[in-house]
Amino acid sequence: EVQLVESGGGLVQPGGSLRLSCAASGFTVSSNYMSWVRQAPGKGLEWVSVIYSGGSTYYADSVKGRFTISRHNSKNTLYLQMNSLRAEDTAVYYCASGYYSPAFDIWGQGTMVTVSS
Amino acid sequence: EIVLTQSPGTLSLSPGERATLSCRASQSVSSSYLAWYQQKPGQAPRLLIYGASSRATGIPDRFSGSGSGTDFTLTISRLEPEDFAVYYCQQYGSSLLFTFGPGTKVDIK
Repeated sequence: EVQLVESGGGLVQPGGSLRLSCAASGFTVSSNYMSWVRQAPGKGLEWVSVIYSGGSTYYADSVKGRFTISRHNSKNTLYLQMNSLRAEDTAVYYCASGYYSPAFDIWGQGTMVTVSS
Repeated sequence: EIVLTQSPGTLSLSPGERATLSCRASQSVSSSYLAWYQQKPGQAPRLLIYGASSRATGIPDRFSGSGSGTDFTLTISRLEPEDFAVYYCQQYGSSLLFTFGPGTKVDIK
């Protein structure tokens, strides 16, 4: 079964750091693009970052310079390192990928990140 | 950066009615790279349409997508009770980046 499972969310103070993980099963994270999408409480979807199969990475302007996307091929896991966190980073973070199609047809269940003092 | 605008913000309809949702891009989007998602409360989004008009695996044929250039449409031919949700359009891959529209909520009239 093709599946993504996120972990690592929690409560962190402004200025703090957190690393999210997304474990893949049924396919390899290095064979396709992998992305992070977030959703603030009561708001819409916001694309955050992508890593392509060749290793190229791209970020939304709102997180550029603070977040880093990476993957560990042998662990078949995607990561999002989040530094200098702000209140506006509070959201459910989803990992997503295209497996059956070029769009995001596989999503994890999401992990909640709360930035608050 | 491509900006997507969706209209209307909210669509109030009854089961059995036809729903027409619009997505407009600030610049031309390749039809190959326009998708539609459905999201219900507490759930991850679900891909409905990719490539502007191709239904994703397992999506009923009452969902259809059309359009090109800067104007795209998602049509639900006859609303079922489970179709009341929020719908997002997305462009993917343009300049290797991704963008979501703000969403259209389809609620029960």
